[in-house]
Amino acid sequence: GENVEQHPSTLSVQEGDSAVIKCTYSDSASNYFPWYKQELGKGPQLIIDIRSNVGEKKDQRIAVTLNKTAKHFSLHITETQPEDSAVYFCAASQGNFNKFYFGSGTKLNVKP
Amino acid sequence: GAVVSQHPSWVICKSGTSVKIECRSLDFQATTMFWYRQFPKQSLMLMATSNEGSKATYEQGVEKDKFLINHASLTLSTLTVTSAHPEDSSFYICSVQTGGSEKLFFGSGTQLSVL
Repeated sequence: GENVEQHPSTLSVQEGDSAVIKCTYSDSASNYFPWYKQELGKGPQLIIDIRSNVGEKKDQRIAVTLNKTAKHFSLHITETQPEDSAVYFCAASQGNFNKFYFGSGTKLNVKP
Repeated sequence: GAVVSQHPSWVICKSGTSVKIECRSLDFQATTMFWYRQFPKQSLMLMATSNEGSKATYEQGVEKDKFLINHASLTLSTLTVTSAHPEDSSFYICSVQTGGSEKLFFGSGTQLSVL
């Protein structure tokens, strides 16, 4: 089955700096890679996703890059703000009606 | 994105009682819903896949007689934790996948505490 590894487990940055979270996956059949933000006591919120036919996708301060050959994808947050502080999860899936495999999560702390 | 409503947001119950958690898809019909469990500071663990009008598919190690899942309509799935015990205390989250799309949207979660 699919195995998704996520690093780092915790990340502290100063407000305004960039943050990068990396994930690797094992199954080359995976073709959909979403990122979720989870605040304490709440359900995960989809913040950005990428399909395997795209190498990079950007949405304002958030971007995701995908390297299919190396089987890794990364979340980039620029100009971080205190409200970006949360736990971020990456996931891999083979598309509609298939299971999602989640990384172990990264706790991001943005210091004011 | 899809709007997924989950209730209650938290529940405290005595050991041996049963608890029902509801998950509603508010703005579209969901043929498939997923139930996850999350322990503190840990990742999401898939418990079961719920399909409208049919029996749920449980992941290995999840007791189907303990965690009863019903998906009676295209907008409602319920998870009932039967004869709850302290080890069942956890954060339970439902999710739905929109028809024709691979995007997965989550409910707000239910914190269950069994005394």
